[in-house]
Amino acid sequence: AQSVTQPDIHITVSEGASLELRCNYSYGATPYLFWYVQSPGQGLQLLLKYFSGDTLVQGIKGFEAEFKRSQSSFNLRKPSVHWSDAAEYFCAVGGPGTASKLTFGTGTRLQVTL
Amino acid sequence: DSGVTQTPKHLITATGQRVTLRCSPRSGDLSVYWYQQSLDQGLQFLIQYYNGEERAKGNILERFSAQQFPDLHSELNLSSLELGDSALYFCASNKLGGGSEAFFGQGTRLTVV
Repeated sequence: AQSVTQPDIHITVSEGASLELRCNYSYGATPYLFWYVQSPGQGLQLLLKYFSGDTLVQGIKGFEAEFKRSQSSFNLRKPSVHWSDAAEYFCAVGGPGTASKLTFGTGTRLQVTL
Repeated sequence: DSGVTQTPKHLITATGQRVTLRCSPRSGDLSVYWYQQSLDQGLQFLIQYYNGEERAKGNILERFSAQQFPDLHSELNLSSLELGDSALYFCASNKLGGGSEAFFGQGTRLTVV
């Protein structure tokens, strides 16, 4: 069964500092990987996605993620965090086919201190 | 705006009651997902429909049911409600199932009292 683990429930960083949010997945074939962000009271918004090709993918708001098959990881990074990045971040795994579904991790809450 | 519309935004009801949550997917999207988000369980996948047919089922209780209509909108029916069903219920849609990104609605916040 497919699954996603986000080991960090809560992370606090200072504004301007770099950020890395961890995501490990389990999937039987080549995964499709996603990062979403949820601001308070809002729905989830897609930050970036990986289907194939270049293992370093760029997303919106200056985020990037790197797919490492050997480590079953898809960590999210940002070189310099802004206060507006405070939110909850979800990693998700899916696959091809209309019967497949997205499986989400439990999320990492990011707090940004000024 | 993701293009996915959920109604109502808020719902307060009593235990034992039944409610229906509605979702209109983005134009052209054939697949609809329902998720439940609560503080203790996180984001839980409930069920997926593709072009009117059930395609995947997650941790959906027997008291819950869903369907997707010919116009592709979907409804999630929750019955015999319990306090523990209080949560944020999200609908998402995409074109191809798990092989493409899903777009989320703003959610329906259900409070059972």
